[in-house]
Amino acid sequence: GAVVSQHPSRVICKSGTSVKIECRSLDFQATTMFWYRQFPKQSLMLMATSNEGSKATYEQGVEKDKFLINHASLTLSTLTVTSAHPEDSSFYICSAFSFRDRERETQYFGPGTRLLVL
Amino acid sequence: GENVEQHPSTLSVQEGDSAVIKCTYSDSASNYFPWYKQELGKRPQLIIDIRSNVGEKKDQRIAVTLNKTAKHFSLHITETQPEDSAVYFCAASNGAAGNKLTFGGGTRVLVKP
Repeated sequence: GAVVSQHPSRVICKSGTSVKIECRSLDFQATTMFWYRQFPKQSLMLMATSNEGSKATYEQGVEKDKFLINHASLTLSTLTVTSAHPEDSSFYICSAFSFRDRERETQYFGPGTRLLVL
Repeated sequence: GENVEQHPSTLSVQEGDSAVIKCTYSDSASNYFPWYKQELGKRPQLIIDIRSNVGEKKDQRIAVTLNKTAKHFSLHITETQPEDSAVYFCAASNGAAGNKLTFGGGTRVLVKP
């Protein structure tokens, strides 16, 4: 199956700093990448849809100026949490949609990034 | 938008018994329904999926059924094993709406040896 990586796997930062998370599709081209947030013992909540070469589409209630998404190539999308606060502490997971698997509509998930803001 | 409800939130079964998780969705345009298994701190793993033109799909001990009219789908795990213990999520998406997945709330399954 397709492989998606995320970096870093975990990060601890001070309140007010910015954190960048990378999501890479290692062996396929991802025309679309999705960013999810998962709080402890809760479900995955879609934050935004990232399409290569265009602006991200944010879900209702997600601040686009706080969660900056860049999808510069078909294999890389980045999520930057700007001016992070303790309430932003969460598990951030990306998924990549493979154009080759379009008929199956399969999304491949990255391993996630655990963010802790002190 | 789509809304997916999942029940039960927790499920405890004896090893060897069957486990059934049910989901309902609200958007009749949804046409793809995957199920994911997530272990603590790990990524969701696709275990089975079904498209709207199929009523049932089976893969070894796992099966999924879909009732489009009633807008609900279910996951069935037979002959459960301790390694089946995890959180299971159902999801729904509409290919014409960008393939965004809407997840159910999750079911924590515990298989007791």
